[in-house]
Amino acid sequence: AQSVTQPDIHITVSEGASLELRCNYSYGATPYLFWYVQSPGQGLQLLLKYFSGDTLVQGIKGFEAEFKRSQSSFNLRKPSVHWSDAAEYFCAVGARGSGGSYIPTFGRGTSLIVHP
Amino acid sequence: DVKVTQSSRYLVKRTGEKVFLECVQDMDHENMFWYRQDPGLGLRLIYFSYDVKMKEKGDIPEGYSVSREKKERFSLILESASTNQTSMYLCASSLSGLAGNNEQFFGPGTRLTVL
Repeated sequence: AQSVTQPDIHITVSEGASLELRCNYSYGATPYLFWYVQSPGQGLQLLLKYFSGDTLVQGIKGFEAEFKRSQSSFNLRKPSVHWSDAAEYFCAVGARGSGGSYIPTFGRGTSLIVHP
Repeated sequence: DVKVTQSSRYLVKRTGEKVFLECVQDMDHENMFWYRQDPGLGLRLIYFSYDVKMKEKGDIPEGYSVSREKKERFSLILESASTNQTSMYLCASSLSGLAGNNEQFFGPGTRLTVL
């Protein structure tokens, strides 16, 4: 069965600083990988996804993530954090389930705190 | 603008009550999901459905059931609510994996409190 580990429960950065959120996955086949963001009081929104091809994936809001098969990682990065990036971030890995669809397994999330 | 809506943002129920949480999507998606979200535990899959009247158990189905009579609507049912079911419930939908796009679209969530 697939699994996702987000080692950092909380991350605190200063506005304007760079950001990296870690994600490690366990899955036997080629993974489908996702990063979602949840702002306070909101549902989750997709930031970016990796299915195949270029291992550096660009997403919305200036985020990017790099798939490293050798390290089973899919870390999320942003060069300069804005106060509005304060939110909960979830990494997910998709495994094929019934009907051919991919059923994501989510990590426990990393809470990003941004200091002015 | 694509949308997943949930019937209530906040709900307070008493132990033993039967509770219905409704979710509707307007994107003609085949797949629909129910998750519960608890601090420090992330999202845990309760049930999912990949077609009308088709459902499969997720990781934590105990104490829950679901119904999908129409493609756009997926209901989560707590047959006899208990205090340990106090949580945030998130509904999501996605296209079939055969379509190649597996992005999930989430509703805003229902915060259920069972007293």
